[in-house]
Amino acid sequence: GAGVSQSPSNKVTEKGKDVELRCDPISGHTALYWYRQSLGQGLEFLIYFQGNSAPDKSGLPSDRFSAERTGGSVSTLTIQRTQQEDSAVYLCASSTGGIELFFGEGSRLTVL
Amino acid sequence: QKEVEQDPGPLSVPEGAIVSLNCTYSNSAFQYFMWYRQYSRKGPELLMYTYSSGNKEDGRFTAQVDKSSKYISLFIRDSQPSDSATYLCAMSERGSNYKLTFGKGTLLTVNP
Repeated sequence: GAGVSQSPSNKVTEKGKDVELRCDPISGHTALYWYRQSLGQGLEFLIYFQGNSAPDKSGLPSDRFSAERTGGSVSTLTIQRTQQEDSAVYLCASSTGGIELFFGEGSRLTVL
Repeated sequence: QKEVEQDPGPLSVPEGAIVSLNCTYSNSAFQYFMWYRQYSRKGPELLMYTYSSGNKEDGRFTAQVDKSSKYISLFIRDSQPSDSATYLCAMSERGSNYKLTFGKGTLLTVNP
């Protein structure tokens, strides 16, 4: 069985450009999460989707960040006008709504 | 003061040693306590979780929670080189178990 799939695995972009990061959750998982892991900072919650409920966007650091989840499955995290401080590993996770989150390997973003 | 404090290490021990990893926290509303293990360039994976105070054992691993001291621990007995990874503590409030607050992680190396 496939785990959480994220793409791209690595992305290098120039400051000011927009980037899109994709997450394909485990089939049947209703909950989807985005976290960010910055060097020396640990993982930070960004956004949570559960079924058809309104997402919890309380962790998004600025209005340059947005995310959507289409058809209750695939999710895209979009960062507009990237800044150097956005450089981090963006981790997606999915779950059945229980305690255990299943993480993907992450998308490593470098903003030059 | 961050909500969750974790010594980043690094921690280096010989094979067979007992390892003690710890986190302290300040938010008394935390009810769920988890330990995730993260290998290099991989996503975190759940090792153990506990609800409220007490001990929980799973093979060579023991998780301990002391809510009165706001202190959690993970003990690894008979440590193996394959245990070499970053260990992340994580916590969440009741009713918001999707929004995990992570420690920065402790890098552990077990030397053969």
